[in-house]
Amino acid sequence: DQQVKQNSPSLSVQEGRISILNCDYTNSMFDYFLWYKKYPAEGPTFLISISSIKDKNEDGRFTVFLNKSAKHLSLHIVPSQPGDSAVYFCACGNEKLTFGTGTRLTIIP
Amino acid sequence: DAMVIQNPRYQVTQFGKPVTLSCSQTLNHNVMYWYQQKSSQAPKLLFHYYDKDFNNEADTPDNFQSRRPNTSFCFLDIRSPGLGDAAMYLCATSRRQGLGETQYFGPGTRLLVL
Repeated sequence: DQQVKQNSPSLSVQEGRISILNCDYTNSMFDYFLWYKKYPAEGPTFLISISSIKDKNEDGRFTVFLNKSAKHLSLHIVPSQPGDSAVYFCACGNEKLTFGTGTRLTIIP
Repeated sequence: DAMVIQNPRYQVTQFGKPVTLSCSQTLNHNVMYWYQQKSSQAPKLLFHYYDKDFNNEADTPDNFQSRRPNTSFCFLDIRSPGLGDAAMYLCATSRRQGLGETQYFGPGTRLLVL
């Protein structure tokens, strides 16, 4: 019973183009949504978040979009840079977080 | 730099031999979490402490225990590790418990069970 799904295990994007990572959830009680980035041999680090009362949050090159009716969120990175190559986890929840399985993003120089 | 530290980074144990993983934090956060992450799977919350209050997830096996002797330290004890317990164990902290609190993760301890 996977409440948070990231259906693309991997994604390759050319440097300078837009990277779009997707996440779907099933629990309508989730109130807060986050994206974490993970480099090899390191723990996940917080990237950006959005609450359920918003549909968009932007921070520099990173924008998170939330579509509550579709129970879908996405992370846009533009322009993509080689240092963005990492595994990206979405996490949904209120007091506790439920994580997706991650998407490995590779930026091609 | 304030951080979450996990020791050791790699731990090898034998089937059935108790093992303890440790986590320390210099963030002075009230909440500490333990997650288990198996290969290609999502991190799964095992339990968390809010100050000294222990909160166990319903599906966390009894084989897994935790101790938090003070604010800075939290331990994960696996009483009788099985082959299925081989995983990455992530410790995380947050300032408070509740909506919108960012969790800060340590680098993880990879456990191998022989």
